Amino acid sequence: EVQLLESGGGLVQPGGSLRLSCAASGFTFSSSAMSWVRQSPGKGLAWVSTVSGSGSSTYYADSVKGRFTISRDNSKNTLYLQMSSLSTEDTALYYCARDSRLGFWGQGTLVTVSS
Amino acid sequence: DIQMTQSPSSLSASVGDRVTITCRASQGISNSLAWFQQKPGKAPKSLIYAASSLQSGVPSKFSGSGSGTDFTLTISSLQPEDFATYYCQQYNSYPLTFGGGTKVEIK
Repeated sequence: EVQLLESGGGLVQPGGSLRLSCAASGFTFSSSAMSWVRQSPGKGLAWVSTVSGSGSSTYYADSVKGRFTISRDNSKNTLYLQMSSLSTEDTALYYCARDSRLGFWGQGTLVTVSS
Repeated sequence: DIQMTQSPSSLSASVGDRVTITCRASQGISNSLAWFQQKPGKAPKSLIYAASSLQSGVPSKFSGSGSGTDFTLTISSLQPEDFATYYCQQYNSYPLTFGGGTKVEIK
């Protein structure tokens, strides 16, 4: 059974940093691209970033480019999102999802940016 | 960036109705389109990929069609558990983009 479990969310002040993690199981992690998608309260879905299976290729939304870094540790079956220079506009529920067609989603971790 | 436009943004329907949601891409995306269902307080669930391929475990009352720029999601007979918000998403090129969503409500 495919499982994705996000963690690392929380309350952070504007300008702060946070690292999200997504623990994967039930599939060959290293063979799958992985993505982060976020959803602001009451809003629609917004793609954040994708990393290839090997980790060698990364893609970012313009809104986070230069502030967020996606990475993965295939030995630990874990995906990461390092977020820095956070603003209130980054407040959202962050989901990890399998590959670029987002075939399976975790339950999300909430990031709140507020002073 | 490829813009995805969904219509309608909301609809009211009765149990048993046939419902169709459309999604239009601002440029051709071949069949690189997925559909998702999201219920309140829950993570999105993949229904369809490659425009018309049903995700494993998804009931056959859901179907997708289209190619290029115009796509549809059809629910053949709406059931109480189908009341939710539906999103389309293109994965033909980065940045990946979503439609604005269609909220399906009970009439």
